[in-house]
This record gives sequence, C-alpha cells and structure tokens, in this order.
Amino acid sequence: AQTVTQSQPEMSVQEAETVTLSCTYDTSESNYYLFWYKQPPSRQMILVIRQEAYKQQNATENRFSVNFQKAAKSFSLKISDSQLGDTAMYFCAFTYPGGSQGNLIFGKGTKLSVKP
Amino acid sequence: DTGVSQNPRHKITKRGQNVTFRCDPISEHNRLYWYRQTLGQGPEFLTYFQNEAQLEKSRLLSDRFSAERPKGSFSTLEIQRTEQGDSAMYLCASSLGGWSEPGTDTQYFGPGTRLTVL
Repeated sequence: AQTVTQSQPEMSVQEAETVTLSCTYDTSESNYYLFWYKQPPSRQMILVIRQEAYKQQNATENRFSVNFQKAAKSFSLKISDSQLGDTAMYFCAFTYPGGSQGNLIFGKGTKLSVKP
Repeated sequence: DTGVSQNPRHKITKRGQNVTFRCDPISEHNRLYWYRQTLGQGPEFLTYFQNEAQLEKSRLLSDRFSAERPKGSFSTLEIQRTEQGDSAMYLCASSLGGWSEPGTDTQYFGPGTRLTVL
C-alpha cells in the first residue's frame, strides 16, 4: 500500500525568509508522480508543484522548488522569499499509473504560517 | 476555463436526511474524482469516473453513498440517511485524461462542499 507522511503538523516562518516542508512516501512502484498542493484558509486547493519520478531534475515553480530524493523516498518543498499569502495548509500527494484509479494519496498536511 | 465548481458550498442537514452535491468539472476533462476531507486530515479518495463510467470506489463509500456522472459531464454525490460521521468537506477534482493513463495527469480541485450533520 502507498503511504505519504508529513511529519511537521505546523510550521511558521518570517516573511521573506525560506522554509522547507518535509514529505516522505512509501511505495513499491517505480513510476509515479508527486505533488504539493496548497489549501489557503477557507479556499480551494491549488497545485503548487508536480514532480515525475522518472525525472532526476528537481521541479521548480518561481519561489517554490522541491528536493526529490528517490532512493530515500523523500520529497520536500522549499519556499523562498516567503510571503503572507503563502499562509496555508500544504499537502504532499502521490499517484501512480496503472489500474483504473489514478487517485491521489495525501499526507495529513503541514499548516504553514507566514508572520510579518 | 472557469475551473471546477461545486454546489452548494455549505450544507447543514439533520441526521437521517438525504443530501446531494453537484460538481461541474473543467470542460473537456474526462476524469472526475470525489474526495472527503475531515478536519485536520488530508483528502481521502471516494470514487472515480472516466467519462460516464464509475471505474473505482473506495471502501469508504458505504452503500448510503451513490455517485453518478450522466453523459460524462457534471457529477452528483448523494448521501442517504446522513449520520453525524458524514460531516466533512467533500471535494471534487477533474483531470484532462485523454490518452494518458490514470495517475499521470494533474488533478484540479473545486472549492468543496462543507457538510454539517446535526
């Protein structure tokens, strides 16, 4: 069974600083996809970044980047130059091809507070 | 592209009543997913449609739950004889599909329907 673990229930960071959110996963699949989603308070979940397991290069999206360590099954999210609007729940998620599902498997989330 | 929409956004009901939620996916997305999110948890998969066919159901989806996607467009999720344990946020997501395998394309989420069962 696939599992996703986020070991940091809550984190805080000062505006303009850098913060790293941790995520580990467990799978026997060799081909899979990893995601970070952001869920602001009372707002909908939006995609932050996506990583294909077959790509060695770490994905980046503006101030957001990941550190993907396939052997260690680790997928951390780094947010640079944190902004107040980054305050949200962040979910790490996993999916893999094959079968008829394709559903996302989520971690429990990390609540990030960006302080002025 | 107007994004995934869900209605209603909030629903308060009494135990034992039936409720129905609607999801309108991004147009041309042929894959549609329902998830349930309880307080302090990540979303959990409920069911999956490819076009109008319901291809997968989680064990979380008891026989009180039913979902449809007529004509492969919008989808409805109905809960019969609601229980207090059904209180949660119900999220809908869609993905493009096409020739790609399930599990390879990105899912886009709606704002959710928050259900409170009194």
